[in-house]
Amino acid sequence: SQQGEEDPQALSIQEGENATMNCSYKTSINNLQWYRQNSGRGLVHLILIRSNEREKHSGRLRVTLDTSKKSSSLLITASRAADTASYFCATDGTGANSKLTFGKGITLSVRP
Amino acid sequence: GAVVSQHPSWVICKSGTSVKIECRSLDFQATTMFWYRQFPKQSLMLMATSNEGSKATYEQGVEKDKFLINHASLTLSTLTVTSAHPEDSSFYICSARWTSGRGNIQYFGAGTRLSVL
Repeated sequence: SQQGEEDPQALSIQEGENATMNCSYKTSINNLQWYRQNSGRGLVHLILIRSNEREKHSGRLRVTLDTSKKSSSLLITASRAADTASYFCATDGTGANSKLTFGKGITLSVRP
Repeated sequence: GAVVSQHPSWVICKSGTSVKIECRSLDFQATTMFWYRQFPKQSLMLMATSNEGSKATYEQGVEKDKFLINHASLTLSTLTVTSAHPEDSSFYICSARWTSGRGNIQYFGAGTRLSVL
């Protein structure tokens, strides 16, 4: 079953605006990751944040994690048309052989 | 990031034939790979975990005789859809797990679109 639940399900913004996507999960995690998928392609790993971290940055990406609320957010600043894609959060459990559990994804459209 | 190659990228076949999809990790050894299925506008559905040198672990509801997985080396896993039928038409994606000091990251292939006529 899906653990991560992203919201909104779809987001449409103008180029240059910031995009904020949220993810909630239910069980304990070792880390949480965000992936991007362009239409008809595989997923690309964007960023990983560990359970003991609260914020991570990578270029125009900023991820926060609140383990008390079991939620994470992905912020894309100064969005570009090329950021148009689906974004998934994925949680990695605490077991040695854990596997990622993906949310349903958010469809981001950036209008030029 | 690491590179995972998946081949073919698309395949069209007749009902009843078998189709093999290859997943290769090009720049790291992967003891564990994963096979997913994705329907349009939906998330990834994990089908099975492929373990090098041992049998794959299938998720509930996935027929292991229908979807044969072989992980004979640290860089190659194959998924064979046997006796494919139109309902097997889907987008199949593999990933290889890489363990870093920060945690396990999965690197994905580009996917295979299977159309069964």
